[in-house]
Amino acid sequence: NFILTQPHSVSESPGKTVTISCTRSSGSIAGNYVQWYRQRPGSSPTTVIYEDDQRPSGVPDRFSGSIDSPSNSASLTISGLKTEDEADYYCQSYDDNDVIFGGGTKLTVL
Amino acid sequence: QVQLQESGPGLVKPSGTLSLTCVVSGASIINITWWAWVRQSPGKGLEWIGEIYHDGSTNSNPSLKSRVSMTIDKSKNQFSLNLNSVTAADTAIYYCARSRGDNWFDPWGQGTLVTVST
Repeated sequence: NFILTQPHSVSESPGKTVTISCTRSSGSIAGNYVQWYRQRPGSSPTTVIYEDDQRPSGVPDRFSGSIDSPSNSASLTISGLKTEDEADYYCQSYDDNDVIFGGGTKLTVL
Repeated sequence: QVQLQESGPGLVKPSGTLSLTCVVSGASIINITWWAWVRQSPGKGLEWIGEIYHDGSTNSNPSLKSRVSMTIDKSKNQFSLNLNSVTAADTAIYYCARSRGDNWFDPWGQGTLVTVST
């Protein structure tokens, strides 16, 4: 099995850009798609990025996803930060036997 | 649009069986897709429990597989989860979700809190 490691928390000011990393412990990050979910307090997770870098309809283009094979990690970048972006963000991927979520990153926009 | 709604007892006794149902609206459960369960312990992260296909095929988290069973009811457009031999560690918010290929979960139900306690 593998683990997805995210920073516990990040903070940035409104209007700035923040990047949240998600590092896969074993197996290739490029071998299976990575999804990113946003979860606001008291709400269910919603998708902000799927299949590494695809945005669902309704998600603004301020959100982008990428993968980096050398570091075996995926990243979620949010530009032009707004206070409404404050939430927990989870990466998620899988292998032949399991589906794994990262531990989540609390984004504070201050 | 597709919507999912979980239901079931909010309190289960230790060593008992947790049983939840997820009703799907806005889509037929026999669509070419999987239907999944994910849980979130209080203040913690997300954990995949498993998924079921309309033909009854299932995949489960290896750490829970021995305690998990899932069924699908096409006539009611719903699917269900049973988790047996529960302990306090199974206390969590349980979500159902559509698995849209390559294990992309969207949308999710609103979630239901299940507490394991005497």
